Amino acid sequence: GAGVSQTPSNKVTEKGKYVELRCDPISGHTALYWYRQSLGQGPEFLIYFQGTGAADDSGLPNDRFFAVRPEGSVSTLKIQRTERGDSAVYLCASSRGLAATGELFFGEGSRLTVL
Amino acid sequence: QKEVEQDPGPLSVPEGAIVSLNCTYSNSAFQYFMWYRQYSRKGPELLMYTYSSGNKEDGRFTAQVDKSSKYISLFIRDSQPSDSATYLCAMKYNQGGKLIFGQGTELSVKP
Repeated sequence: GAGVSQTPSNKVTEKGKYVELRCDPISGHTALYWYRQSLGQGPEFLIYFQGTGAADDSGLPNDRFFAVRPEGSVSTLKIQRTERGDSAVYLCASSRGLAATGELFFGEGSRLTVL
Repeated sequence: QKEVEQDPGPLSVPEGAIVSLNCTYSNSAFQYFMWYRQYSRKGPELLMYTYSSGNKEDGRFTAQVDKSSKYISLFIRDSQPSDSATYLCAMKYNQGGKLIFGQGTELSVKP
């Protein structure tokens, strides 16, 4: 498909484990965003990339969270020493440039459950 | 205090009703205002965006922004069961790409 692809769609892990979530943006989109959405809440900003570099990582909650986008396309969100409070849907989005109109194209998310 | 406040609902209306959804915000630096729609277990999708104050209409949807009151609205006319979803307001500064979302309002339109 031509949309944003996220894998895995579901991930169940145990407290303390390491997790990687992958995002494949729409081809040609230079900006890539990670959001976290807890049940009954709106998406909470984590980080966005313009090209390969993180343009704004002010939303990463602590140093257990890290994201990379080494070639300016696919991105991986990495969570170390997972905690139960990390359970949420992790949404990835992409846009052409910085999306002056605010139009981000979202994937369906990776649902993380930490037991 | 959250930067963007939105009543989570749920809101239930009969088919054909006019729906009014609202958000308030605290930071006057926001310049772009968006409404996203999110169906269950899907990612949000953009419905409408407005730059600065004013109204914008697109079919059955009208977005209004009142920057003096820090208040934005989305109106849905002739609501349909297919409009049943969570509606998220979102805002952006003039610079940068970060969107700040409201909590979302869950809407149910009953046939």
